Amino acid sequence: AQTVTQSQPEMSVQEAETVTLSCTYDTSESNYYLFWYKQPPSRQMILVIRQEAYKQQNATENRFSVNFQKAAKSFSLKISDSQLGDTAMYFCAFLFGGGTSYGKLTFGQGTILTVHP
Amino acid sequence: GAVVSQHPSWVICKSGTSVKIECRSLDFQATTMFWYRQFPKQSLMLMATSNEGSKATYEQGVEKDKFLINHASLTLSTLTVTSAHPEDSSFYICSASGDRGYEQYFGPGTRLTVT
Repeated sequence: AQTVTQSQPEMSVQEAETVTLSCTYDTSESNYYLFWYKQPPSRQMILVIRQEAYKQQNATENRFSVNFQKAAKSFSLKISDSQLGDTAMYFCAFLFGGGTSYGKLTFGQGTILTVHP
Repeated sequence: GAVVSQHPSWVICKSGTSVKIECRSLDFQATTMFWYRQFPKQSLMLMATSNEGSKATYEQGVEKDKFLINHASLTLSTLTVTSAHPEDSSFYICSASGDRGYEQYFGPGTRLTVT
């Protein structure tokens, strides 16, 4: 079974600064996807970024980028130029790309990020 | 992106009654839908996976007779909490995926309070 671990329950950052959220995972599979989701106070889950395991290049989406270290099973999220609207709970998630578990997301415990003005 | 709706957004019911939550994919055909439960400041816990026209597959520890899931069409799945009790109070979230299973779209969630 896959496990996802987020070791930072809470983090804070000043507006315009950079913050990195950590995530590690455990799997014996080679074909999988990794995600970062954002859940603001509205509780709507929003996809921030997706990484395919077979791609060596780190995914980026505007101010959001990941550091994907496949051998170390690490998948951290860097938020640059933090904005007040980035305040949310962030979840790291794993999806196995095949078999009977296809499509099932395994979530980490979440990290509450607060951006201060 | 694709849109998933949930109805109702919040519901209060009395202990012992049943409540139904709907999850709809508005602009795509959802071959698979997932139901999650989330307590405050905690992660999402997968309850069950449903495929259109098939019986739902429940995660270990989830009572299938209590949480009835129906996926009758490619755009609608329902979760019925039967004989609800206060401990069933939670935030329920559905998600849906189409042909590309790695793309999953989330509904806005339903807050259930059982009094």
